[in-house]
Amino acid sequence: AQSVTQLDSQVPVFEEAPVELRCNYSSSVSVYLFWYVQYPNQGLQLLLKYLSGSTLVKGINGFEAEFNKSQTSFHLRKPSVHISDTAEYFCAVSEGLELTFGTGTRLTIIP
Amino acid sequence: DTGVSQDPRHKITKRGQNVTFRCDPISEHNRLYWYRQTLGQGPEFLTYFQNEAQLEKSRLLSDRFSAERPKGSFSTLEIQRTEQGDSAMYLCASSLRGQTDTQYFGPGTRLTVL
Repeated sequence: AQSVTQLDSQVPVFEEAPVELRCNYSSSVSVYLFWYVQYPNQGLQLLLKYLSGSTLVKGINGFEAEFNKSQTSFHLRKPSVHISDTAEYFCAVSEGLELTFGTGTRLTIIP
Repeated sequence: DTGVSQDPRHKITKRGQNVTFRCDPISEHNRLYWYRQTLGQGPEFLTYFQNEAQLEKSRLLSDRFSAERPKGSFSTLEIQRTEQGDSAMYLCASSLRGQTDTQYFGPGTRLTVL
C-alpha cells in the first residue's frame, strides 16, 4: 500500500526567503507524484507533477520539485516566496487511479 | 474549459437528515472521483467512476453513502441519515483517461452536521 509523509505540519518563512516543503512516500511500484495547493475555503489546485523523465519538475507560481527515487522523496521548493503563497500544500502519490495524500503543510509567509 | 464545479458550496443540516451534492466535471473528462477532507487532514479517496460505471469504492464509503453518475456526465453524492462525523469538505475531481489521469479538483462542498 502506498503512503505519503509530510513531516512539517507548519512552515513559517519570511517574505522573499527560500522555502522547502518535504514529502516522502512509500510504494512498492512505480508511482506518479503530485503537489497540490489549497487556499482557504477552496479546492485543490495542481502545482506540478512527476510522471517520468527528468527528476526536476517545474510547476506554476515559481515552484519546482525534485524526485529522488533512492530516498523516496519529492520535496517542493521555491527560491523566493511571496505573501500570496500562504496556503496549505499537499503532496500526493498515485499507483493507479486513486490519489493518496499527505496530511499537508501549512505555509505561512511573514512580512 | 470551465473547470470542475460543485453545488452547493456549503450545506448545513441537522443530524439524521439526507443531503445530496452535485459535481459537474470538465466536459471531456470521462473519469470522476469523490474525496472527503476533514479538518487538518489531506483528502481521502471515496469512489470513482469511469463514464457511468462506478469502478471502485473505499471502505470509508459506508452504506449510508451512495454515488451515481447517470449518462456519464455529472455525478451526485448522497448521504443518508447524516451524522456529526460526516461533517467535512467533499471534493470532486475529474480526469481524462489516457493523459496519465491527472486529476483536477472542484472547489468542494463543505458539509456541517449539527
